[in-house]
Amino acid sequence: GAGVSQSPSNKVTEKGKDVELRCDPISGHTALYWYRQSLGQGLEFLIYFQGNSAPDKSGLPSDRFSAERTGGSVSTLTIQRTQQEDSAVYLCASSFGSGEGSYEQYFGPGTRLTVT
Amino acid sequence: ILNVEQSPQSLHVQEGDSTNFTCSFPSSNFYALHWYRWETAKSPEALFVMTLNGDEKKKGRISATLNTKEGYSYLYIKGSQPEDSATYLCAHTSGTYKYIFGTGTRLKVLA
Repeated sequence: GAGVSQSPSNKVTEKGKDVELRCDPISGHTALYWYRQSLGQGLEFLIYFQGNSAPDKSGLPSDRFSAERTGGSVSTLTIQRTQQEDSAVYLCASSFGSGEGSYEQYFGPGTRLTVT
Repeated sequence: ILNVEQSPQSLHVQEGDSTNFTCSFPSSNFYALHWYRWETAKSPEALFVMTLNGDEKKKGRISATLNTKEGYSYLYIKGSQPEDSATYLCAHTSGTYKYIFGTGTRLKVLA
């Protein structure tokens, strides 16, 4: 079956521009995560959606970052006024489960964002 | 240990060698330990989910052990092959939805 898809796969943008990253999770997965991996760092939690509950946005690094998940499926991560430190690989993952951490996550291929 | 730490950061082995690496995590409030393999230009792929102290998991030539009391897990690869080249990530959860990832061990198997 179809896995998690993300678009675009690569994005080069100028500092100060806005970007939108998209994630299509696996159908039926109620949990959706956004992570980013900066050079030399581990996967950094950004945001978590679970069904229709209010998302946990505690990992978003600044108010320039926002995310939404429409209809419990597709999610978009928006970065406004991009900065060079936003350059990273942004990964989306989805899973079953009610959020206790025992379910494996299914990851998309990521979006490599480069801010020049 | 407050965070998830993995060692070594990277290693090169010859084809046919066996190897292992370590994931250390907080031993308090343990719920599950996950291992993922992340090949270049691909998505991270789940290898194992481990929840019980003393648990051992095996998939082909790859196996993992878990010690929740002392807070570590080992991943073993027997008879490494070039296709095993990847970054191996572990993630710890403590009963919530937050997965805390280590920085990974980058394995390169030389033919």
